[in-house]
Amino acid sequence: SQQGEEDPQALSIQEGENATMNCSYKTSINNLQWYRQNSGRGLVHLILIRSNEREKHSGRLRVTLDTSKKSSSLLITASRAADTASYFCATPNNAGNMLTFGGGTRLMVKP
Amino acid sequence: DGGITQSPKYLFRKEGQNVTLSCEQNLNHDAMYWYRQDPGQGLRLIYYSQIVNDFQKGDIAEGYSVSREKKESFPLTVTSAQKNPTAFYLCASSIDPTGGEQYFGPGTRLTVT
Repeated sequence: SQQGEEDPQALSIQEGENATMNCSYKTSINNLQWYRQNSGRGLVHLILIRSNEREKHSGRLRVTLDTSKKSSSLLITASRAADTASYFCATPNNAGNMLTFGGGTRLMVKP
Repeated sequence: DGGITQSPKYLFRKEGQNVTLSCEQNLNHDAMYWYRQDPGQGLRLIYYSQIVNDFQKGDIAEGYSVSREKKESFPLTVTSAQKNPTAFYLCASSIDPTGGEQYFGPGTRLTVT
């Protein structure tokens, strides 16, 4: 069963615009992670936010976490064509021995 | 150059044959994982191992088998019992087996006809 669900499933924007994608999860967590996957490649870890954090930044990435709503958002500012990829959120299960990934948001940034 | 390698990148097999996918890491990570990804979908966990000589079933272990005889290696065998084996297979490792950041290999695309 999926713990995280991303929204929207697909997003198409122009270069320079901001992209926002959301993740909702079901059970309590101690962290939430975002990954990027370029077509046909492995996943790359972007950012990890802990349950006691509300916001975290890394370059053009901004992640927020609202544990009361069981949701997180990933904002990519000033998007570039190279940001075109699928983005996944992932959360540890209750036992903390595995990550559960959502279905992903497919982002297309048009030059 | 540290990382995770998976080989081969593309693999073709006839139905009814077992096939083994390789995963090697030189990151000195204790935990390793195998995921399956179908087109346009997220990742589903097949097996994971938190330490050498120990592994656990994930959500979709039926038709798959693994071994963990060395810290660096975690091969996955797709057996003939797996009813729909065509998929993209991803291996990952983590220094933190309690739900920390995972490092992924480039994946192996398996096609069974």
